[in-house]
Amino acid sequence: EVQLVESGGGLVKPGGSLRLSCVVSGLNFNDAWMSWVRQAPGKGLEWVGRIKSKGSGETTDYAAPVKGRFTISRDDSKNTVYLQMNSLKTEDAAVYYCTHDGNGYYNFYSWGQGTLVTVSS
Amino acid sequence: EIVLTQSPGTVSLSPGERATLSCRATQSVSSNYLAWYQQKPGQAPRLLIYAASNRATGIPDRFSGSGSGTDFTLTISRLEPEDSAMYYCQQQMFGQGTKVEIK
Repeated sequence: EVQLVESGGGLVKPGGSLRLSCVVSGLNFNDAWMSWVRQAPGKGLEWVGRIKSKGSGETTDYAAPVKGRFTISRDDSKNTVYLQMNSLKTEDAAVYYCTHDGNGYYNFYSWGQGTLVTVSS
Repeated sequence: EIVLTQSPGTVSLSPGERATLSCRATQSVSSNYLAWYQQKPGQAPRLLIYAASNRATGIPDRFSGSGSGTDFTLTISRLEPEDSAMYYCQQQMFGQGTKVEIK
């Protein structure tokens, strides 16, 4: 069974930073392409960014609202993907989900339970 | 950037009825990229359909996806009470969602 477990959410002030982690089990993480998706309270889903596997160049791409502020990285030795969030804005407040892109086409086969990020002074 | 528009915003139907959810793109989308998700309150989304028409593992066959180009459809052939949820289409970005209510 594939499991994705996020952690690291919490309350942060505008302009602050936070790093989310997602530990993955039940699949070959080395070959996995991983994405982060967020959902503001009462709103729809928003894709945040993706990291490819090391074998595919470990390249990243990001949604426009977070580009230049958020960074996705991975540690294959720990089966973990990270989301570093800097210069946080109130509009970044959301539940952040870690997802597994199962076919390389942004089709997210597995999801974590989410971690809540609150941005408030 | 491709924008996906879902319709209707809300659909209210009785158990056993058929639901047809639409997802329209502002430009042509490769079918490989088109996915549908179900999300119930307080839960993470669940993949229903990938590559436009392929059911994900464990998804009942009353769920089906079709379409190509700019127009895609999710059909729930015989609604059951547990199908009450939000449904999202996605090709990288997500549509705004359709709420399915069971009377």
